[in-house]
Amino acid sequence: AAGVIQSPRHLIKEKRETATLKCYPIPRHDTVYWYQQGPGQDPQFLISFYEKMQSDKGSIPDRFSAQQFSDYHSELNMSSLELGDSALYFCASSPVGGDEETQYFGPGTRLLVL
Amino acid sequence: AQTVTQSQPEMSVQEAETVTLSCTYDTSESDYYLFWYKQPPSRQMILVIRQEAYKQQNATENRFSVNFQKAAKSFSLKISDSQLGDAAMYFCAYRSGETSGSRLTFGEGTQLTVNP
Repeated sequence: AAGVIQSPRHLIKEKRETATLKCYPIPRHDTVYWYQQGPGQDPQFLISFYEKMQSDKGSIPDRFSAQQFSDYHSELNMSSLELGDSALYFCASSPVGGDEETQYFGPGTRLLVL
Repeated sequence: AQTVTQSQPEMSVQEAETVTLSCTYDTSESDYYLFWYKQPPSRQMILVIRQEAYKQQNATENRFSVNFQKAAKSFSLKISDSQLGDAAMYFCAYRSGETSGSRLTFGEGTQLTVNP
């Protein structure tokens, strides 16, 4: 079965640089979620989109922005990167109707800020 | 705001034995969903089981089952016939059922070790 695709899988950036993380949801999934997981921590919700509109917003820094495109893929843009932004970033998606409450996670993007 | 608490940072079990992981949550909502996710060393988040709050029957998926006590706001995971591949971090998670696109709120996680 198709899964959530995230790219890149690994990313190394310097402080103050920018990064763009991409997420391609499972086909026929219209809702996308972004989470940040620091070392030894549980995932923390950043933001979600339903039908290309922001539907919920968590502790996302102002330096971060995200959007969902017409093909339902999503991008998380991160600017002025800080050492503390080093984390595993998950994208998850959920389907239209039926199982819409369940979120299926991608493999994550490991971001290291030096 | 909803909170999820996992009071067991670490648990261990012998292969083929049964283990129960605890989770409690706090909410004022009546419509919600509860989940257990597994995160092995690869750090992939894998759905184990889900429970709808309006259902009284406890969910079961093969060797995995839950004990959902709505009044006590408790949602424990039982793993029967434990296998080496069950070793992972297990996260309990809550999701509101009131709006589309609602976030998952996770507990702190329980690290499960399976001993051969």
